[in-house]
Amino acid sequence: AQTVTQSQPEMSVQEAETVTLSCTYDTSESDYYLFWYKQPPSRQMILVIRQEAYKQQNATENRFSVNFQKAAKSFSLKISDSQLGDAAMYFCAYRSARAGNNRKLIWGLGTSLAVNP
Amino acid sequence: DAGITQSPRHKVTETGTPVTLRCHQTENHRYMYWYRQDPGHGLRLIHYSYGVKDTDKGEVSDGYSVSRSKTEDFLLTLESATSSQTSVYFCAISGPPGELFFGEGSRLTVL
Repeated sequence: AQTVTQSQPEMSVQEAETVTLSCTYDTSESDYYLFWYKQPPSRQMILVIRQEAYKQQNATENRFSVNFQKAAKSFSLKISDSQLGDAAMYFCAYRSARAGNNRKLIWGLGTSLAVNP
Repeated sequence: DAGITQSPRHKVTETGTPVTLRCHQTENHRYMYWYRQDPGHGLRLIHYSYGVKDTDKGEVSDGYSVSRSKTEDFLLTLESATSSQTSVYFCAISGPPGELFFGEGSRLTVL
């Protein structure tokens, strides 16, 4: 069975600095998707970034980028120029691309990110 | 933003009473999910649906039932609420390529 591990329960960063959140996963499959979700204090779950395993290029969305290391099964999120609004819980998630898995996501337990002014 | 609404957003009830949470989508997506979120446990899947009247259990389905009589509505029912079911409940729909879009959550307190 697939698992997702976020080894950093809490992290902090100074405003305008860069921070990297780690995520590792375990799977025997070769085709899958990886996601980072953000959950601010408002509780709303927001998709930050998505990576398809068959794509070698790392996904980027504005100040958010990933370092996807398929062989190492690592999927870290880098936040550049951190802003106060980035303070949130961040969840890493995995989804098999295999047909018939009902699109279920496997979730990490989250990393709570504090941004210090 | 994906059109997902949950109701009620907040509910306080007593042990032993039935509770129904509603999830309504306007996106016509086939897949819908109910999760609960608790400190230290992250998001755990309760039940999901892959079509009208097609549902299946997730990892924490005991004490919960679901129904989906229309594409747009997915109901989660606690037949007899217990204090262990105090949680925040999220509904989600799956769009291509399988990423989830979430509702705003429903906070349930069982006294």
